[in-house]
Amino acid sequence: ETGVTQSPTHLIKTRGQQVTLRCSSQSGHNTVSWYQQALGQGPQFIFQYYREEENGRGNFPPRFSGLQFPNYSSELNVNALELDDSALYLCASSWAGTLGGHEQYFGPGTRLTVT
Amino acid sequence: DQQVKQNSPSLSVQEGRISILNCDYTNSMFDYFLWYKKYPAEGPTFLISISSIKDKNEDGRFTVFLNKSAKHLSLHIVPSQPGDSAVYFCAASAGGTSYGKLTFGQGTILTVHP
Repeated sequence: ETGVTQSPTHLIKTRGQQVTLRCSSQSGHNTVSWYQQALGQGPQFIFQYYREEENGRGNFPPRFSGLQFPNYSSELNVNALELDDSALYLCASSWAGTLGGHEQYFGPGTRLTVT
Repeated sequence: DQQVKQNSPSLSVQEGRISILNCDYTNSMFDYFLWYKKYPAEGPTFLISISSIKDKNEDGRFTVFLNKSAKHLSLHIVPSQPGDSAVYFCAASAGGTSYGKLTFGQGTILTVHP
């Protein structure tokens, strides 16, 4: 069973630029969620995708957007980067079925630094 | 508005003793609770969960207790081992349209001394 993978591992961008982060779900999972973890804080929910549609969003502006592909992999796009976007971005996958969905399985994250 | 709170930033325990990590929540819509462990440079790893219809769930050395009236849950690790040293996050999820979307606490750094 393949776990959740994310790329790249680290990324440095300049304020105002755009960035795309990628995630491959754990095999057998059909739902992907993205979280932002600032230093010293717990992860914060950005949004979730199910069957290629956004299925809920946290308190993040529209410049944070995403995609889910037919193979359940996903992208997180952030436009007009701000210094406060510097964080660890975590992707998590799960199986949204009758007996599951709450347990999210996380990838190692992408560390984004905005200068 | 911090809906899930872990009020102890850190906890230090001797190997072999019990570790007790605490978590409080304010949102009465939460009906599923989870604990995650995180090592540096890794993503959070799922440890154990509990549904609001239960008050205890056990898995090996890990036991989670839920007190719904106090909106409080705790994770007990017995016996504690040095490899348990990590950051522990409490998380909560609600049903309905919030199904599977986790709200995390700030985390507690557990250090287990040999």
